[in-house]
Amino acid sequence: EVQLVESGGGLVQPGGSLKLSCAASGFTFSSNWMSWVRQAPGKGLEWVANIKQDGSEKYYVDSVKGRFTISRDNAKNSLYLQMDSLRAEDTAVYYCARAFYKWNYHLDCWGQGTLVTVSS
Amino acid sequence: DIQMTQSPSSLSASVGDRVTITCRASQSISNYVNWYQQKTGKAPKLLIYAASSLQSGVPARFSGSGSGTDFTLTINSLQPEDFSTYYCQQSYSIRYTFGQGTKLEIK
Repeated sequence: EVQLVESGGGLVQPGGSLKLSCAASGFTFSSNWMSWVRQAPGKGLEWVANIKQDGSEKYYVDSVKGRFTISRDNAKNSLYLQMDSLRAEDTAVYYCARAFYKWNYHLDCWGQGTLVTVSS
Repeated sequence: DIQMTQSPSSLSASVGDRVTITCRASQSISNYVNWYQQKTGKAPKLLIYAASSLQSGVPARFSGSGSGTDFTLTINSLQPEDFSTYYCQQSYSIRYTFGQGTKLEIK
């Protein structure tokens, strides 16, 4: 069974840092692009970052560029999101998702999400 | 970045109805559109990919169409479990974007 499990969320002060993890199982992790998507309380979905299979290409939404870093460890079947200089507007549930390719890229498997709260 | 504009933002319908949700892209994106369903407090679930391909395990009452800039998600014969929020998403650009969502409520 394809499964993604996020961890690492919590309460952090503005300006602080947090590192999210996503453990993958049930598929060949190293063969897939991976994504982070977030959802602020009561709001819609916002794509945050993508990373290529070997980690050689990374893309970010403008609002997190220079503050967040996506990375992966294929030996550990794990995806990460290092979040620095956190702001109140980064408060959200963060989901990791697999970007599967068939005709196009689509997010076919999602974790349960981990809540990040940025507040003093 | 490619903007995805969904309409309507909310919709009331009854069990058994047929509903259509529209998504418009700010530029032509071929068929690089996906549709997701999200229930309150849960992760999104993929329904339709590449504009019109039904994801495995998704009921056939869900269908998608469109190409270029205009796309639709249609749900035939609404069931009680279909009352959720729906999102379109483009993957034409590696910098993905989502529509703002359509909340489907029971009339």
